[in-house]
Amino acid sequence: DAGVIQSPRHEVTEMGQEVTLRCKPISGHNSLFWYRQTMMRGLELLIYFNNNVPIDDSGMPEDRFSAKMPNASFSTLKIQPSEPRDSAVYFCASSLGQKDSPLHFGNGTRLTVT
Amino acid sequence: GDSVTQMEGPVTLSEEAFLTINCTYTATGYPSLFWYVQYPGEGLQLLLKATKADDKGSNKGFEATYRKETTSFHLEKGSVQVSDSAVYFCAPSNAGGTSYGKLTFGQGTILTVHP
Repeated sequence: DAGVIQSPRHEVTEMGQEVTLRCKPISGHNSLFWYRQTMMRGLELLIYFNNNVPIDDSGMPEDRFSAKMPNASFSTLKIQPSEPRDSAVYFCASSLGQKDSPLHFGNGTRLTVT
Repeated sequence: GDSVTQMEGPVTLSEEAFLTINCTYTATGYPSLFWYVQYPGEGLQLLLKATKADDKGSNKGFEATYRKETTSFHLEKGSVQVSDSAVYFCAPSNAGGTSYGKLTFGQGTILTVHP
C-alpha cells in the first residue's frame, strides 16, 4: 500500500502565478478530499469527490480555486492566480467513503506565495 | 452543521504523566468518531476510532470511549512518552447518507512531552 501520494512536497511561487497541486489516492478508495491547513484557521475542507464526481465545493474560498478528478487515480487542485494569503499546507485524503471509513492523508504540499 | 470542540492547548507534560484531551461534538444522526495524530512535517494519521455508543477505541496505549449521552470522545493515555509529542485532532464523521465519509476536524491540541 503506497498510501496517498501528493506532489510537489513544496512549492514556492510568485503572486499571480498559476499553481497546480496533484494527488494520487489509494487504489480502491472512492472518496477524495482536499483540505487546507493554516495556523490561523486550522484544517479546512475545501472540496470532496465521490466516484470522481464533486459532491461539495462550498469550502473552496474563491473562484481562483478549482479542483478536478478526471479518473479514480488522480486529482488536481489549481489556484489561478495565486495570492500570498493562499500560503498554507494543502492535504489530500482518500477513503472508502463510508461513515466508519477513516481518511488516509498524504504528506501534504507546502505552498508559499511571495 | 456538525462541529467539534477540543481542549485548548498547548498541553505540556512530563514523561510518564497521565494525558487527557477532551473532545465534544455536535452531529445529526449517529456519527463514527476518530482521533488523528499529526507529527511535524507529516500528514494526519489515524490513531483510533469508535463506531457506536460505548465502543472503546485503542491504539499505542491511547484510548477513547464513545459517550453518546454526553456527546464526548475524550482521548487518554496512562503514561506519555516524549515520542507522543504531536498535534491531536478529534473528528466525527458526518452521518448523513451523502457525506461519503467526510470528517469535521477540531482545531487540534498540541502536546509536548518533556523527558
